[in-house]
Amino acid sequence: AQSVTQPDIHITVSEGASLELRCNYSYGATPYLFWYVQSPGQGLQLLLKYFSGDTLVQGIKGFEAEFKRSQSSFNLRKPSVHWSDAAEYFCAVGLNSNSGYALNFGKGTSLLVTP
Amino acid sequence: ETGVTQTPRHLVMGMTNKKSLKCEQHLGHNAMYWYKQSAKKPLELMFVYNFKEQTENNSVPSRFSPECPNSSHLFLHLHTLQPEDSALYLCASSQDSGGAGDTQYFGPGTRLTVL
Repeated sequence: AQSVTQPDIHITVSEGASLELRCNYSYGATPYLFWYVQSPGQGLQLLLKYFSGDTLVQGIKGFEAEFKRSQSSFNLRKPSVHWSDAAEYFCAVGLNSNSGYALNFGKGTSLLVTP
Repeated sequence: ETGVTQTPRHLVMGMTNKKSLKCEQHLGHNAMYWYKQSAKKPLELMFVYNFKEQTENNSVPSRFSPECPNSSHLFLHLHTLQPEDSALYLCASSQDSGGAGDTQYFGPGTRLTVL
């Protein structure tokens, strides 16, 4: 079955430490890949997206993600986390389906940043 | 006002009430979406409108009734809801829904509680 998996429900990192959030997908073809962030009480904000080309994608707020076809992964990274990065992070996959276009989300990873 | 706005931000209603959620986008997009975000579940796509025409109804119960009078406005009419319908309802828009790579921009959501 087609799916998007974010294996980590919660992650805690210290401010200034590096961060990696995992995302794996299970689809036949290479999908369009997105990372969104949701702060408490807010909607989802796009961090970055991958369509084709360079497999290392740069986004806003110092985030980057790397597409690895062999591992069906699109992990999100940041070299130094700030307290304001505490939020819920969602990986999403866009696919064309028989009924049109679908954007499938993972369950999300909640990031806690400690002083 | 820029981006995607949603009103009200919070709504409490009884199971016999009728209420409506409103979404407005100021991005000049042609496609609009309703999502349901429940605790510990992935975002669920409910409806898609492209150029005011409904192109996706993801097996949503009839107690949810969408309306898209123009490309900038989207409503979700609610009646005889159940407590399990309590969730965050997110609206999104994109340039159009013709492609899987179309980036969706989200509103802040309406937190709905059904008593």
